[in-house]
Amino acid sequence: GQNIDQPTEMTATEGAIVQINCTYQTSGFNGLFWYQQHAGEAPTFLSYNVLDGLEEKGRFSSFLSRSKGYSYLLLKELQMKDSASYLCAVRDGSNYQLIWGAGTKLIIKP
Amino acid sequence: EPEVTQTPSHQVTQMGQEVILRCVPISNHLYFYWYRQILGQKVEFLVSFYNNEISEKSEIFDDQFSVERPDGSNFTLKIRSTKLEDSAMYFCASSEAWQGARGNTIYFGEGSWLTVV
Repeated sequence: GQNIDQPTEMTATEGAIVQINCTYQTSGFNGLFWYQQHAGEAPTFLSYNVLDGLEEKGRFSSFLSRSKGYSYLLLKELQMKDSASYLCAVRDGSNYQLIWGAGTKLIIKP
Repeated sequence: EPEVTQTPSHQVTQMGQEVILRCVPISNHLYFYWYRQILGQKVEFLVSFYNNEISEKSEIFDDQFSVERPDGSNFTLKIRSTKLEDSAMYFCASSEAWQGARGNTIYFGEGSWLTVV
């Protein structure tokens, strides 16, 4: 079956670094997305990985290992505005639908 | 920056009534989508639309749902006879391309919150 696993909630301190993990089991693979979603708002795009390795974009980086079915989102120099849910989504290679994880709620404390 | 716009932002409707949610995708995008998110739950794919027809749909998208692109800019989702369990945030999204292209990001609208009473 199709499954994406992320921790439900994480807490981190302002200025620190946090890593949010995502593991997936899908029938195919054609890319992995990370989205940020503030409560009551639309998801906004953060990163896209289709090849193994690290993609860096400012304070955010995303890593992918296709052989392990694993990705992480790394957030550096955390700010209070980073408090949000972080959604991992995998594009299924067989039908190209996006399969979504339940999201990780990140709480930033001063 | 171009954005996907949706109306209404919030609609309350009685069970059994028809609802139409409207979306204006980003103008140069070719692929359109509807997703929904029940409060506190994960985002769920409903349907994708390309070249004036449905390209894929999920099990959720049953005969009660339909989509239409009535003109060159709007993309609508119709729910014929709403049920209590249809209460959710409905997100419209669009993208330039569908398959494989690096960075073919799906851009979401702000959502339409539907409450069925």
